[in-house]
Formats: sequence, structure tokens, C-alpha cells
Amino acid sequence: GAVVSQHPSWVICKSGTSVKIECRSLDFQATTMFWYRQFPKQSLMLMATSNEGSKATYEQGVEKDKFLINHASLTLSTLTVTSAHPEDSSFYICSARGEQPGDTQYFGPGTRLTVL
Amino acid sequence: LAKTTQPISMDSYEGQEVNITCSHNNIATNDYITWYQQFPSQGPRFIIQGYKTKVTNEVASLFIPADRKSSTLSLPRVSLSDTAVYYCLVGDMWYGGATNKLIFGTGTLLAVQP
Repeated sequence: GAVVSQHPSWVICKSGTSVKIECRSLDFQATTMFWYRQFPKQSLMLMATSNEGSKATYEQGVEKDKFLINHASLTLSTLTVTSAHPEDSSFYICSARGEQPGDTQYFGPGTRLTVL
Repeated sequence: LAKTTQPISMDSYEGQEVNITCSHNNIATNDYITWYQQFPSQGPRFIIQGYKTKVTNEVASLFIPADRKSSTLSLPRVSLSDTAVYYCLVGDMWYGGATNKLIFGTGTLLAVQP
């Protein structure tokens, strides 16, 4: 199947700093990518939909000023956690799908963020 | 977006066939049914996707009745390494954009014992 990568796979930062996570579709183009967050022993929670060339669409309750999303190209979306705090520590996962009807959505391996 | 309901957990033994059923009573015409597997600290891995009737690939089969209000993931001869959380999702896969966002339910924790 198609491959979606994330970088970094894990990151530790101090409270108050910003962290950028990259999501790339390696062998297909994706005008739409999605960002999820997952806390321990919980399901994935959709945070936002990232649209190439336009603003992201955030789910209710997700702070758009805290979680900045940039979809710079058809293969790259970035999530920046600004002024991170310990409660932002989580597992962040992105996904992408191709452009054809019926194309499957593929997920990245995830990024573990720990804020000290 | 269709809501899905599946058992919280299931137990099985190595070598057995496992069937996980998912209910999606409000599935829309353009919705596909997709199943993912997730291991701890990993992103969900695609297992199988279908629209109607039966779909089979090298790892699983997906059975979808005519009314499409439910689906069953069938895993033949499970092994210990199949212990994971399995998610059933429905979403519009006909068009691009936000219409195809997938909302995760609780998933089914499958525990395979020796």
C-alpha cells in the first residue's frame, strides 16, 4: 500500500517551546491530509483536516492558534504545536489518501511528543 | 458521518478464525467501510476496505450484507502477533477533501492467546 511518513518519530521538549511535526505522502499526492491525537489507551481523535493551498479545518474544541497546520505541497503537511505544555504530550498521527474515488486513507507511524 | 459500534474486546486462541462485527446503521450511499489494525505506539495499518458484498485480500475478508448496515472482518487462523486493536470506520471515499475524514470509534481489542 501507499506510504505515509512522519518526522520526527519522537520528540522531547521543554514547556513553552514550539515543536514541528512533518507528514509526507511518499508515493502519491494528497490534497488533503488529516491530523489525529491519541492519548494512552484511547482511540484516535481527529484534530484537523489539512488542505493544500488553503487553511486547515479544525474539529470542535481544537485550538487553531495552538496547533498550526501548513499544507505546503501535495506531499507535505506540518503540524506545529506552539508553546507546548505537559498536557500536550501525546501521540500525534497523520493520514493521507489519494485523489481517486475509492482510494484508501493511509496513516503515518506517529510522533510521540513529550513536554517536560 | 456514520457512527460505528463494535465490541470493546474479544479473546481468541492461535489458529482460530476470528470474526469482528461492526454496526453502522446510518451509513451513507458514498461511504466505504475500512478496517485498520493498530499496535501500541504505532499508526493504524490498513487491513481491508469494501463497499458491498465480499472483499478478500491476503490477510482478511470483509463481509458486507446488502443493506450495508453492518460489516464483519474475518481473520483466518490468527496468531499471537494479531493481538491488536481493530477499528472499523466508514467514510465518503468517492470525493476528495474533508468529506472523507474518518472518525474513530473505540475499536476492538483482540487478544490472541497460545
